[in-house]
Amino acid sequence: DIQMTQSPSTLSASVGDRVTITCRASQSISTWLAWYQQKPGKAPNLLIYKASSLERGVPSRFSGRGSGTEFTLTISSLQPDDFATYYCQQYNTYWWTFGQGTKVEIK
Amino acid sequence: EVQLVQSGVEVKKSGESLKISCKGSGYLFNSYWIAWVRQMPGKGLEWMGVIYPEDSDTRYSPSFQGQVTISADKSSSTAYLQWSSLKTSDTAMYFCVRHGHAGYCSSSSCAIDYWGQGTLVTVSS
Repeated sequence: DIQMTQSPSTLSASVGDRVTITCRASQSISTWLAWYQQKPGKAPNLLIYKASSLERGVPSRFSGRGSGTEFTLTISSLQPDDFATYYCQQYNTYWWTFGQGTKVEIK
Repeated sequence: EVQLVQSGVEVKKSGESLKISCKGSGYLFNSYWIAWVRQMPGKGLEWMGVIYPEDSDTRYSPSFQGQVTISADKSSSTAYLQWSSLKTSDTAMYFCVRHGHAGYCSSSSCAIDYWGQGTLVTVSS
């Protein structure tokens, strides 16, 4: 199975900061990668699919890049609503695998 | 509006059986794969398995094969996840999710475009 590794596990940042989360796949997944945001007690929400396509309704401060085995999610200017946990997910195979999550905390 | 509405909180004892549900609305239920995702307390997301309601084609993660059963009822637009004998380690939040439409898909699978609200299952000894 394809392993997904996110870094960092926790990120402390301030409102207005530019933050980047990295996700690495154990083998090539082309651009079949999604990013989700989850707030406590809620279901995750899709932010990015196909590595760089922004889901409808998601603010443009979110962006995704990458292909093959290395991917990034960037928030260009962190807003109070963005403090949450972020997960990457590969869908190159029918057996999805997720990264372990990155918690973005207030500094 | 697409919605996946899951059944409510469950509190059970180990060894008991359980079936939780996920009702889809606002779209053609039969034509989209529905998957189940587990989230144990304070942990990440795990894919359990998936079903295509039109023909009940079902696939399981090896980690969950034989531990749970996924099914769907086209007539009621409802998917199910069931256990025959719960363990305390089954304590978790369970989400049903919908595979996105073709624009969200590889040749094998898709990103998740809609999530249910989750069903919290607590199993005590």
